[in-house]
Amino acid sequence: GAGVSQSPRYKVAKRGQDVALRCDPISGHVSLFWYQQALGQGPEFLTYFQNEAQLDKSGLPSDRFFAERPEGSVSTLKIQRTQQEDSAVYLCASSLWGGASTDTQYFGPGTRLTVL
Amino acid sequence: SQQGEEDPQALSIQEGENATMNCSYKTSINNLQWYRQNSGRGLVHLILIRSNEREKHSGRLRVTLDTSKKSSSLLITASRAADTASYFCATDRLTGTASKLTFGTGTRLQVTL
Repeated sequence: GAGVSQSPRYKVAKRGQDVALRCDPISGHVSLFWYQQALGQGPEFLTYFQNEAQLDKSGLPSDRFFAERPEGSVSTLKIQRTQQEDSAVYLCASSLWGGASTDTQYFGPGTRLTVL
Repeated sequence: SQQGEEDPQALSIQEGENATMNCSYKTSINNLQWYRQNSGRGLVHLILIRSNEREKHSGRLRVTLDTSKKSSSLLITASRAADTASYFCATDRLTGTASKLTFGTGTRLQVTL
């Protein structure tokens, strides 16, 4: 596709449910990033993949958050036993390389997660 | 945690006026980037300025960077209604594995006709 796509665009979950958020990066992009954006705030880094390798997961808020990118393309962010504080927009971004600090990150439209 | 803050938090101007947003950050950086986010849409990269640059232009955008003050400004000239959006500065630090971005809190710009 032409850009980064994410699905679903909106997700409502009851507290305690597990959710899975999908990201399709731009074809051929090596690096993939997940960010969390709370209402009225800027995005905050969660985790980073280079191909299928998860090289940085320092931003994941707890062990309930898990991300994977098994074939180096599509990525899934899974949140187990969702809590109300998990309500946010989850943004995915990809870049051609990612190792270079001048490499532009292209963002998807995000998944808005609401935990009731 | 957020790297820095944008100022003002909200700005309302009329079409044709200039809009200036400021960003302050806390630690040393490699580069600073500005992004725009429209309601319901993803972040769009606007411009990148390297740490050894002081000013950069792109169309109606002008960005300055003062590393001694750890601050940057984004000027949008001759604003249009379509410029209505939230604007974020983002700094990056090469961590050895990736250039992960640290965003500010954003400035919400409203351009009215």
